[in-house]
Amino acid sequence: SAVISQKPSRDICQRGTSLTIQCQVDSQVTMMFWYRQQPGQSLTLIATANQGSEATYESGFVIDKFPISRPNLTFSTLTVSNMSPEDSSIYLCSGCKGAHTEAFFGQGTRLTVV
Amino acid sequence: AQTVTQSQPEMSVQEAETVTLSCTYDTSESDYYLFWYKQPPSRQMILVIRQEAYKQQNATENRFSVNFQKAAKSFSLKISDSQLGDAAMYFCAYWSYNAGNMLTFGGGTRLMVKP
Repeated sequence: SAVISQKPSRDICQRGTSLTIQCQVDSQVTMMFWYRQQPGQSLTLIATANQGSEATYESGFVIDKFPISRPNLTFSTLTVSNMSPEDSSIYLCSGCKGAHTEAFFGQGTRLTVV
Repeated sequence: AQTVTQSQPEMSVQEAETVTLSCTYDTSESDYYLFWYKQPPSRQMILVIRQEAYKQQNATENRFSVNFQKAAKSFSLKISDSQLGDAAMYFCAYWSYNAGNMLTFGGGTRLMVKP
């Protein structure tokens, strides 16, 4: 397994601004993912963060709104751009070391847009 | 596409009693993995138990066990001797090699434990 440190744990942001969320893993992982979780709801996959190349986005999510970086095998960032109140949610990063036999998660970032 | 359904939005159990959380899934794959994750108020997703579809034996982890019915595409979680710390959201999840290397989550079940 591995430990993912995600920060910030929470933030309150003004609409129209951007927030970058960081995830640092304590060991190399093959794959990293970013999820959004509305309060009381399940997790929705935003994108797969690919090391050294553009992320792979799920339907309904676009790079201009959620740019993702993954410069190496232990670090990734998700930016929520031009935020609106509808972006208020919990954002989680996840990693796995190969075949998806176990995914481990960061602590999540609770974002509130006012 | 694979789907995962948890039909119980909320469940309640008395401390020390046993509770079963339901999960069904839909897939055309024969080789896949199923998981139960726990998410307490701290938001940290914690893996509770994992089941490989090719294994007929049900997985167990201490007080947690599953009833895996492959033909029925059912994967329920049984929590024995429930403790106050078991109170959390529980998510059933599916993964297969051909599913884009991503987890598909069910809608979740909120478990409340009464002292």
